[in-house]
Amino acid sequence: LAKTTQPISMDSYEGQEVNITCSHNNIATNDYITWYQQFPSQGPRFIIQGYKTKVTNEVASLFIPADRKSSTLSLPRVSLSDTAVYYCLVGIYNQGGKLIFGQGTELSVKP
Amino acid sequence: EAGVVQSPRYKIIEKKQPVAFWCNPISGHNTLYWYLQNLGQGPELLIRYENEEAVDDSQLPKDRFSAERLKGVDSTLKIQPAELGDSAVYLCASSFGGAGNTGELFFGEGSRLTVL
Repeated sequence: LAKTTQPISMDSYEGQEVNITCSHNNIATNDYITWYQQFPSQGPRFIIQGYKTKVTNEVASLFIPADRKSSTLSLPRVSLSDTAVYYCLVGIYNQGGKLIFGQGTELSVKP
Repeated sequence: EAGVVQSPRYKIIEKKQPVAFWCNPISGHNTLYWYLQNLGQGPELLIRYENEEAVDDSQLPKDRFSAERLKGVDSTLKIQPAELGDSAVYLCASSFGGAGNTGELFFGEGSRLTVL
């Protein structure tokens, strides 16, 4: 399984766009990139998943360059409620249960 | 639609005592997972069930941990005897394995165990 590396923590202010980059140099051809969000005292929640280029949903955007060795989760105009830990995972599309969670990025949004 | 339900939310026990956690997955989800999450770390898989069969229990410490998923629906995770190092959050998740499966995991709120 591809190993991922992401910053341990990030700080932001309300209204700013936040970009969290994840590096996965040994991503395999069949691997997808998935991001989860976890609030304190809750289980992780699926945010977005992609294979290449750009994916956007109502919550976030995911940018994946052509070489796929990294990906960037973009959260537009964050609010205090976006304070959470964000996990980047890499693996086969329909095998979510085999994905390995790393330490994640703890995002702190300040007023 | 109800999400993944876990109980109890919190449990405090003395070391060497037994403890059990219960999980009710989302209706129709045939795959169920138990994860352990230590403070400041990501979840780590303990066991994965496909229906009632444990298909991956390689990370489950079998000397003291056991799990079952009778009838392929609810599941119970047991620790006996508990040790101080077992203090953590135990997360249950489920996923749909049929057509259109995206691998998305749906997690419960977790059961926080404190062993004194």
